[in-house]
Amino acid sequence: DGGITQSPKYLFRKEGQNVTLSCEQNLNHDAMYWYRQDPGQGLRLIYYSQIVNDFQKGDIAEGYSVSREKKESFPLTVTSAQKNPTAFYLCASSTTGPEAFFGQGTRLTVV
Amino acid sequence: GQQLNQSPQSMFIQEGEDVSMNCTSSSIFNTWLWYKQDPGEGPVLLIALYKAGELTSNGRLTAQFGITRKDSFLNISASIPSDVGIYFCAGPLSNFGNEKLTFGTGTRLTIIP
Repeated sequence: DGGITQSPKYLFRKEGQNVTLSCEQNLNHDAMYWYRQDPGQGLRLIYYSQIVNDFQKGDIAEGYSVSREKKESFPLTVTSAQKNPTAFYLCASSTTGPEAFFGQGTRLTVV
Repeated sequence: GQQLNQSPQSMFIQEGEDVSMNCTSSSIFNTWLWYKQDPGEGPVLLIALYKAGELTSNGRLTAQFGITRKDSFLNISASIPSDVGIYFCAGPLSNFGNEKLTFGTGTRLTIIP
């Protein structure tokens, strides 16, 4: 089945550590996105990529980094510079239109 | 950045009731999308609207693209327990291809037993 797979579902990070969230899609979509969702709030865009080897900052990119070496993969690294990383992270992809399709999310908790 | 305002923020209804929610923007959108998010899951696309005045249905869900292109409405008829969740509106920030989406703040729907 085609879809977007995020892993892990739950992730715990110690303060000062970098962690990488995985996002893989087999939909052959060109564009991929990372969103952050805090409790009771909407989705805020972290980074997006419309083509391999290219990506753009979203509204809240500080403390995060991404890479897009393959069309299928768009990993997100939450660095130690991100002061409040506890959140629900959502990866999405889209083809030529604006309709984005989401993975099941990764819940990151700082311990 | 761009903001989409959804109302109401939350709704408490009884099973079988109809539901109405809306989304407004200070800017014009050329596409409106409605998503539903279950707890702990990613949003799922329900309905996409592409033209001002368009009315589109998906089962018990009906959404409309406002004539001014600055608003959209979602109605759910005869609600059932699986309708519980958060409903988001979204729209692209430009008209060109797969541009990034702006999301509304969400309407949380709860069904009272």
